[in-house]
Amino acid sequence: DTAVSQTPKYLVTQMGNDKSIKCEQNLGHDTMYWYKQDSKKFLKIMFSYNNKELIINETVPNRFSPKSPDKAHLNLHINSLELGDSAVYFCASSELPPGLVYEQFFGPGTRLTVL
Amino acid sequence: SQQGEEDPQALSIQEGENATMNCSYKTSINNLQWYRQNSGRGLVHLILIRSNEREKHSGRLRVTLDTSKKSSSLLITASRAADTASYFCHYSGGSNYKLTFGKGTLLTVNP
Repeated sequence: DTAVSQTPKYLVTQMGNDKSIKCEQNLGHDTMYWYKQDSKKFLKIMFSYNNKELIINETVPNRFSPKSPDKAHLNLHINSLELGDSAVYFCASSELPPGLVYEQFFGPGTRLTVL
Repeated sequence: SQQGEEDPQALSIQEGENATMNCSYKTSINNLQWYRQNSGRGLVHLILIRSNEREKHSGRLRVTLDTSKKSSSLLITASRAADTASYFCHYSGGSNYKLTFGKGTLLTVNP
């Protein structure tokens, strides 16, 4: 059973389009995250939700909007895609929120390519 | 940038040798974790060390933490070709519990 799953695995799209990436975890965790990994492999936190409530919102363009319909799902919607959005996006979850962060479980990643 | 620094950026060793990777950070931390990322895959948690701990072991892994120097090291003993991967430190700390990853060390273990 996959603990943290993301769809799609690959996403190729044109500049200006709107796209969504979905994430689901079946671990019963309360906290979920979105990370962006750029071409240099640098990983940066984008958002974190705890029990459907936004608790971390780093300096991310407001074209990125996370949505958590329930605590097992955290989706990422991106409007007006730009070339610089090309990256691998990782979803993760943890039992406890930041400040009490324990092990994070990562999804397999979604490779987004904007042409 | 608040991004942690890891060194070396790349490390190439022979199977059976030990590999040591270092992570330095800039803020106070609550805990520090090490993750492994195989090429094209997600990250896998290896080990967590709390800010009040100095050393921790897990199998062939040994992690140390020196909060006075704001640094941690990951030692992999008796390396195997399957250990080839990127290794990242990850820590939370500061007043807003900012989550930060180090820049990563690419380890290549040659058979």
